[in-house]
Amino acid sequence: SQTIHQWPATLVQPVGSPLSLECTVEGTSNPNLYWYRQAAGRGLQLLFYSVGIGQISSEVPQNLSASRPQDRQFILSSKKLLLSDSGFYLCAWSTGQFDGEKLFFGSGTQLSVL
Amino acid sequence: AQKITQTQPGMFVQEKEAVTLDCTYDTSDPSYGLFWYKQPSSGEMIFLIYQGSYDQQNATEGRYSLNFQKARKSANLVISASQLGDSAMYFCAMRERGGGADGLTFGKGTHLIIQP
Repeated sequence: SQTIHQWPATLVQPVGSPLSLECTVEGTSNPNLYWYRQAAGRGLQLLFYSVGIGQISSEVPQNLSASRPQDRQFILSSKKLLLSDSGFYLCAWSTGQFDGEKLFFGSGTQLSVL
Repeated sequence: AQKITQTQPGMFVQEKEAVTLDCTYDTSDPSYGLFWYKQPSSGEMIFLIYQGSYDQQNATEGRYSLNFQKARKSANLVISASQLGDSAMYFCAMRERGGGADGLTFGKGTHLIIQP
């Protein structure tokens, strides 16, 4: 069966520090991978998605970047965090097929930038 | 314009009552899918139910059903016989076929609280 791992679960970082969040998927190959952010009490905003190794699409301009160095690994990064980067970050994967295609989510990372 | 609108920021419901969570959507794509997710306080996103735009019947999954009214662009989630464990945030989401691989668009959610 497929599983998705995301870490760390919580992170407190000072403003201006770097960020690296990692997500890995097991039990499937060539998944579509996604990074979402959820501000407090709000819905999910798509940040990045990837359909293959080295292929990254950005949905909103921001202080963050994403990379996919391996088929089932997706990394969210920042060189210098801003206060506005605080939020709940969720990694997700899907099979890439349209019909009935749902996203499977990781357990999330609560990032607090102070 | 918002593609997914959930007009109920919060709801209080008595245990064992049925609950309807509203969702309207906006798309010009004839082919799309509609999803509902549950997010308990732990933060994980749990898939509940899916409805395709060409599906003739309303989707059902256990106590969950989706009241799909295509002409009104409405996809309300119905939870029958609510339980205390149903307390959570609920998100409606949509995927348009013409949207490529760019995931789901989510509404802002409804915070459902089941009272004993």
